[in-house]
Amino acid sequence: EAGVTQSPTHLIKTRGQQATLRCSPISGHTSVYWYQQALGLGLQFLLWYDEGEERNRGNFPPRFSGRQFPNYSSELNVNALELEDSALYLCASTYDLGTVSSYNSPLHFGNGTRLTVT
Amino acid sequence: GQQVMQIPQYQHVQEGEDFTTYCNSSTTLSNIQWYKQRPGGHPVFLIQLVKSGEVKKQKRLTFQFGEAKKNSSLHITATQTTDVGTYFCAGPYMRGETSGSRLTFGEGTQLTVNP
Repeated sequence: EAGVTQSPTHLIKTRGQQATLRCSPISGHTSVYWYQQALGLGLQFLLWYDEGEERNRGNFPPRFSGRQFPNYSSELNVNALELEDSALYLCASTYDLGTVSSYNSPLHFGNGTRLTVT
Repeated sequence: GQQVMQIPQYQHVQEGEDFTTYCNSSTTLSNIQWYKQRPGGHPVFLIQLVKSGEVKKQKRLTFQFGEAKKNSSLHITATQTTDVGTYFCAGPYMRGETSGSRLTFGEGTQLTVNP
């Protein structure tokens, strides 16, 4: 079974530019999460997509946006890049167990995209 | 909103010593998950605890879920250099809430092991 794949592995941009990061989930997974991990810090939730819809977003400005395609792959777009956007961006996929509330399907993470803004 | 606090932030141990990281939630959790991230790697799912007071073991790793389902711990017996990494706990928002993520991660405990 292929894991979660992210591209590109590394991305170097200058301040003010736009970045597009891509994620392909594990086959059969319909939910995609995006997290930002600055160097040495924890995982900050960015966005959650499920069945093509944005279900929730974290405390990030609107210049962070994304979408999920019919094949459940996802894109994260960051506009007007700032130096502090430099981080590892992790995508994770999972399957939704519907109304089961006591159990959450685990997240399967990709290797991430290392974004550097200069 | 729901917060998951994790302590300590860093832990340095000698190989062979034990290690424990603690996770506390501001609200009752339906379950809690633990992940490990090796240096330069991505988080990998370790285990999920669902029942009040649940204890699960994976070789030298022991995971506990508190009776009130608001705290959890991960204990490693006789650490090895292969245990190096950051350990995260993660708790879910219940369905229907409109803020936060489906899984909220603690800040993680970074473990280093001196051989």
